[in-house]
Amino acid sequence: KNEVEQSPQNLTAQEGEFITINCSYSVGISALHWLQQHPGGGIVSLFMLSSGKKKHGRLIATINIQEKHSSLHITASHPRDSAVYICAALTGTASKLTFGTGTRLQVTL
Amino acid sequence: GAVVSQHPSWVICKSGTSVKIECRSLDFQATTMFWYRQFPKQSLMLMATSNEGSKATYEQGVEKDKFLINHASLTLSTLTVTSAHPEDSSFYICSAKNTGWEQFFGPGTRLTVL
Repeated sequence: KNEVEQSPQNLTAQEGEFITINCSYSVGISALHWLQQHPGGGIVSLFMLSSGKKKHGRLIATINIQEKHSSLHITASHPRDSAVYICAALTGTASKLTFGTGTRLQVTL
Repeated sequence: GAVVSQHPSWVICKSGTSVKIECRSLDFQATTMFWYRQFPKQSLMLMATSNEGSKATYEQGVEKDKFLINHASLTLSTLTVTSAHPEDSSFYICSAKNTGWEQFFGPGTRLTVL
C-alpha cells in the first residue's frame, strides 16, 4: 500500500464541470503539495498547505489533518486544465516529498 | 514565483557516453536541490538530495558513481549520467528550495540513450 494514494486515477469531464481529486496519506506530514504536470512534462506547484483551505483562481485545495485527507477542486473546468495532478506529502526533517501516483484529467469540449 | 530552469530540455546520446544536466534557480538561492526521475506514466522517484557545498545524499538503489551530482553554488546543481545506457532513458526533473518547505520544480530534461 502506497503511503500517498490518489483517486481517481483517470478522470474525464466536460467543460464547465466541477472536478474533485482526492488524496489520502498514511504518514505524518509537515505539509502537502498539489502539483500539475502537463503533457510536455514540466511540473507546476499549485498549492502547498498544512491546514485548512487555499484558493487560487478556479482552483481550491483543502486539507483535513485529522483525517489525513486532502482534496483539489477545479471549478468551471476547461480543456486547458487537462493534465496530470499529483499530490505529494512533505515528510520527515529532510523535506522529502512522497508522491501519489497522479490523477490524469481530460476535460473535453 | 520562484523559477527553476533546466538545461538541456532534451538530449539524445549514444550508449557509453556521459551526459550533464544543469538545474538553476533563477531568482532565489537554493540551499537544497532534489533530483528526480520519472518513467512513462509513473510518478516521480527521488534520486538524491543535494545541499550546497556538501556531498549529495542518494536514495537507496541509486548508484552514486553513475549519477554524479554537484551542487557547487547556491543557484546551480548538475547531474551527470556517466556511461549512459538505454535503461537510463527517462525524464529527469530537479527541484529547489531555500529555507522554507516549498519545492520549486524545473521543466525537466528528457534523456534518450541510443
